[in-house]
Amino acid sequence: GENVEQHPSTLSVQEGDSAVIKCTYSDSASNYFPWYKQELGKGPQLIIDIRSNVGEKKDQRIAVTLNKTAKHFSLHITETQPEDSAVYFCAASKTTELSFGAGTTVTVRA
Amino acid sequence: KAGVTQTPRYLIKTRGQQVTLSCSPISGHRSVSWYQQTPGQGLQFLFEYFSETQRNKGNFPGRFSGRQFSNSRSEMNVSTLELGDSALYLCASSLLLMGETQYFGPGTRLLVL
Repeated sequence: GENVEQHPSTLSVQEGDSAVIKCTYSDSASNYFPWYKQELGKGPQLIIDIRSNVGEKKDQRIAVTLNKTAKHFSLHITETQPEDSAVYFCAASKTTELSFGAGTTVTVRA
Repeated sequence: KAGVTQTPRYLIKTRGQQVTLSCSPISGHRSVSWYQQTPGQGLQFLFEYFSETQRNKGNFPGRFSGRQFSNSRSEMNVSTLELGDSALYLCASSLLLMGETQYFGPGTRLLVL
């Protein structure tokens, strides 16, 4: 099955700085790559997603890039704010089954 | 539009018991997927239902089962509970099938003693 690796496992950034999380996947047939944010006591919330026919997608302070050849995709958060502190998960899928990375705990220091 | 709702939110059971969890998808969504989240194994896919039929199943023992009703609401059942079944069980709904955005509910926290 699909194997998704996510790095780093923890990330501490100063408020206003950028945060970057990277993921690699194993199945070249995967064509859908969402990113979720999970806050304590809540379910994962979709923040951005990208499909395999697109190389980059941006939504305000959040952007995702996809390199199909290298089978990796990244999440970029600019101008980080305290409310960006959470656990972030990447995922990959070719069907309805999402294969998740292990998660990155992001802490934004004021 | 209301989001995905899951009931109950918290549950405590003892080993050997069985449990049923419920999920109501976003109105109009026909696909419901279930995931188990634990600190050790992370988020793992359990199964997915569309139009009352199981379309996909993850690598979990037969003690884990589910069903979907004609109104797209779904239930999952775990029989003969084990300590290792303690987890956050998440339900996600999507409009149709493959490649559709999945929206997660808040989860049901199950503790097995």
